[in-house]
Amino acid sequence: DAGVTQSPTHLIKTRGQHVTLRCSPISGHKSVSWYQQVLGQGPQFIFQYYEKEERGRGNFPDRFSARQFPNYSSELNVNALLLGDSALYLCASSTGQGFEDTQYFGPGTRLTVL
Amino acid sequence: AQKVTQAQTEISVVEKEDVTLDCVYETRDTTYYLFWYKQPPSGELVFLIRRNSFDEQNEISGRYSWNFQKSTSSFNFTITASQVVDSAVYFCALSEARGSQGNLIFGKGTKLSVKP
Repeated sequence: DAGVTQSPTHLIKTRGQHVTLRCSPISGHKSVSWYQQVLGQGPQFIFQYYEKEERGRGNFPDRFSARQFPNYSSELNVNALLLGDSALYLCASSTGQGFEDTQYFGPGTRLTVL
Repeated sequence: AQKVTQAQTEISVVEKEDVTLDCVYETRDTTYYLFWYKQPPSGELVFLIRRNSFDEQNEISGRYSWNFQKSTSSFNFTITASQVVDSAVYFCALSEARGSQGNLIFGKGTKLSVKP
């Protein structure tokens, strides 16, 4: 069975631009969460979506937004990019939205902002 | 204050040595889950184990074992007879019943290097 997939693998943008990252969950999983991982740190929670609705949000500015589609895939959008947005963006999927659900991660999208 | 502390930033061992990665957590919830993930150089986080707060039994899976002690708020991970393929960054994570939905709280990770 296919795991979580993310696209693109790598992305280079300049300050002020906008970026869209995509994620497809494991088949049968209805929840998608997004994390930001800067070099040398653990992942930081950005959003969780379940059944197309936002169910959780981390401490990130409004420049970050996301949505989930009827097929449970998801997009993360970041506007007005800053140098500090350079990071590995990880998507995770789980069967449910609960704190007990194991999240399975994709390979990530490496975003570089110049 | 950090909720998940992995005090060992980097550990280097020689193949076949045993190694223990420490994880100390902090929560006011009585119901929570703890996780360990492995992140090889490719970047993908690989799930290793999940443990709920009511189950303090130690777990063994092949060369891997986990020691959960609520009294010391620790959930340590031991690799027996380490191998070069174990080289990776290992993360401990906490999920709280009263936390934000879907929010896994990660430690900063421990980078393990296993030399041949």
